[in-house]
Order: sequence, then C-alpha cells, then structure tokens
Amino acid sequence: NAGVTQTPKFQVLKTGQSMTLQCAQDMNHEYMSWYRQDPGMGLRLIHYSVGAGITDQGEVPNGYNVSRSTTEDFPLRLLSAAPSQTSVYFCASRLGFLHNEQFFGPGTRLTVL
Amino acid sequence: GQQVMQIPQYQHVQEGEDFTTYCNSSTTLSNIQWYKQRPGGHPVFLIQLVKSGEVKKQKRLTFQFGEAKKNSSLHITATQTTDVGTYFCAESGGSNYKLTFGKGTLLTVNP
Repeated sequence: NAGVTQTPKFQVLKTGQSMTLQCAQDMNHEYMSWYRQDPGMGLRLIHYSVGAGITDQGEVPNGYNVSRSTTEDFPLRLLSAAPSQTSVYFCASRLGFLHNEQFFGPGTRLTVL
Repeated sequence: GQQVMQIPQYQHVQEGEDFTTYCNSSTTLSNIQWYKQRPGGHPVFLIQLVKSGEVKKQKRLTFQFGEAKKNSSLHITATQTTDVGTYFCAESGGSNYKLTFGKGTLLTVNP
C-alpha cells in the first residue's frame, strides 16, 4: 500500500492563479480531510468528506473547493490564489466512523506570491 | 468540533529529562488522540484514549485521559533526541465526522 499520496510536493503560484492539489489513498478509507498548517496555528481543517459524493466544510473553507467523485481521490482546488493561502497542506484519511486513527500524506508546500 | 487547548506551546529539555504536554477542554470529550510530527514531516498517529481515567503506555511514553474526560496528557520519560518534534492532541467531537487538532507542543532536546 502506498498509503496517502499527495502531489505536488512544492508549488509556487502567483496571486490570482488557480490550481488543484491532488490527494489519493489506496486503503479504501471512507473519511478524507484537508488541513493547512501554519506556524503557531496547528492543523486547521479546510474541508472533509465522509464518503464518495459527500463533502462538508471545516474550520477554514473560504477560497477552497473540494469534490469526492471516487473513494480514492479527494482533490483540493484553489480558485484564485492569495498570499494568505501560503501554507503547508496535508491530506489525511481514516477508515470511517469510530475509526479515528488518521493517516496523513507527506504534504504540499505552497507559496503564493 | 470542540476546541482543545494545548500547553505548553514550546518545551526545551536536556536529554534524559522528562517531558509532559497537556491538552484541556472546557467540555467533555468523547475521545482523544495523540499525534507526533517530526520536523519537516507529517503527523503520525500515536494513540487513542476513550475511557475515563484511561492510562496507556508505549515504551517511554505514557498517555492519560482525565477522570472527567476534559483533559489528557502525554508524558515522556528520559527524553532522547529522537523524541524531537511537535506533539498534537486531537478530538473528534460528538459527531465523529471530523478531527479537530490542538495547536501542538514543540519539543526540542539538547543532547
């Protein structure tokens, strides 16, 4: 098993550009989440999904879109990048309800100029 | 999810000293998880506590869940340089749909 994979590892964008951060897991996990990590702020939940076709907002959803068309994939879209979105982004997955062990991907370090 | 407060934010110790980080909530937690993130790495699950007063050990690490299920602690005995990293607690709230993380405690160890 590859676990949770994320691409790209690094990305530099200009303000206003759009892009998609890719996330995939091969563990047949129901739940998937996106977090951003900023210094001193810990891990903040952006969006999450409890199954294919089901997504919901987390703590900091503005400026981001998600979709979950398959169990395996959970892409995060930045519609119009802003410098405030400079951060490290982690995708995570877990088996499902009452299974709280969350597996994280290696992260994407995004810089918006 | 509910908000969990972690203290301290930073802790620097000499190798061999003990270390403790605390996670506190104003409301009752259904469960609590602990994660470790090495510098430049991603968070890795350590353990989950569910029962009131629960104590679990992993080698030099001891995890406790308070009797009232409003606080938890992670204690490391005789720290080593390999313990360096940020330790996070997380809770899933009543719905269990999403995990909310504390801000973490950064541990540095002087060899």
